[in-house]
Amino acid sequence: NAGVTQTPKFRILKIGQSMTLQCTQDMNHNYMYWYRQDPGMGLKLIYYSVGAGITDKGEVPNGYNVSRSTTEDFPLRLELAAPSQTSVYFCASSPDWRQGEQYFGPGTRLTVT
Amino acid sequence: AQTVTQSQPEMSVQEAETVTLSCTYDTSESDYYLFWYKQPPSRQMILVIRQEAYKQQNATENRFSVNFQKAAKSFSLKISDSQLGDAAMYFCAYRSDHPTGANSKLTFGKGITLSVRP
Repeated sequence: NAGVTQTPKFRILKIGQSMTLQCTQDMNHNYMYWYRQDPGMGLKLIYYSVGAGITDKGEVPNGYNVSRSTTEDFPLRLELAAPSQTSVYFCASSPDWRQGEQYFGPGTRLTVT
Repeated sequence: AQTVTQSQPEMSVQEAETVTLSCTYDTSESDYYLFWYKQPPSRQMILVIRQEAYKQQNATENRFSVNFQKAAKSFSLKISDSQLGDAAMYFCAYRSDHPTGANSKLTFGKGITLSVRP
């Protein structure tokens, strides 16, 4: 049982480039989340999904897009990378809203220069 | 909106001693969850302990226990018999118990860096 997996682990982008951060979970969880963690800060919610085909914005969605075509996958897209998007990105999942805790992936460290 | 405050950026403890990490939160809700997550240098977020607000009994998990004071909106983590492997950043987090998608998110504090002296 792999849990939540994320790829890549590290990435360096140039300003204006695009990329997709991959997230997959094998626990059949309906809820999935993308957070970003800036240095010295807690995690902030970028986007979330309550099930396949349903996504919505979190606290800091600008500059990002998501899709949820299957229960397992929840990719995060950066269209025009900016230095402000340098951060560590975490994907998480939970079975439903009643289940309090979330299960996190190992994170992706992204640097935009 | 809910907020979570961890006012101590760093703490240090001697191996085998006990340490308490503080957390306060602000909410107008009566039903919610509180969590402590551990983030070691590997960056993996690991759930340490959870507390449901409707439960008066403080949660315990082996060497980890909490002091949940609902009226004071305080949620501290006590680590007993500290071990070198406990060195990490610890995050306090809040989650609403309302059944809407956005409210299922976790609201995190800024974290506390715990170091353990051998």
